[in-house]
Amino acid sequence: GQQLNQSPQSMFIQEGEDVSMNCTSSSIFNTWLWYKQDPGEGPVLLIALYKAGELTSNGRLTAQFGITRKDSFLNISASIPSDVGIYFCAGPSRGSQGNLIFGKGTKLSVKP
Amino acid sequence: DGGITQSPKYLFRKEGQNVTLSCEQNLNHDAMYWYRQDPGQGLRLIYYSQIVNDFQKGDIAEGYSVSREKKESFPLTVTSAQKNPTAFYLCASSIGVGLAYEQYFGPGTRLTVT
Repeated sequence: GQQLNQSPQSMFIQEGEDVSMNCTSSSIFNTWLWYKQDPGEGPVLLIALYKAGELTSNGRLTAQFGITRKDSFLNISASIPSDVGIYFCAGPSRGSQGNLIFGKGTKLSVKP
Repeated sequence: DGGITQSPKYLFRKEGQNVTLSCEQNLNHDAMYWYRQDPGQGLRLIYYSQIVNDFQKGDIAEGYSVSREKKESFPLTVTSAQKNPTAFYLCASSIGVGLAYEQYFGPGTRLTVT
């Protein structure tokens, strides 16, 4: 079935560092969404991408819709402590119109 | 202030009891969704509703039931038939099927069944 693979599963950040993560699929997507979830809270939509090759920014966050349409990337520049959390990618479910499937997330933590 | 509310934030129940989780939205969205999240996992779709008085099973509907009598409300009942009900439950809404895939989430309800 459809699956979204997120990489890395987890990473540690130090304040000021740039962070990169990605999401890949075995099938072509026409939409990519990126969410962030803080502990014990619901996910918050960060960026939506609708066109192959599209590069969209939201403050220090930049996401790209891969030209193969099978991947997407999220970059965080100059990370700050409040960037910690879990970042999920999501894309349209092939089986049900309007529904999404989600990756398992990339967990950002602060370096000890 | 538009948004999605879920209540309560924490819910405790004894095994064998049914429990209903509330979800209300004032975004005037047509579509609403219920997801389940387990530790270290992504979100899995339980049920969704594209319009009032209609709903469809998602990937893991067994042991759950829903109703959609009003546009603003989409309550989820976790029945005693659900084998492993302890989880974090998230409600979401979107403008409507075919209009946008962007879903907006509520704060979640953490259900613990002992």
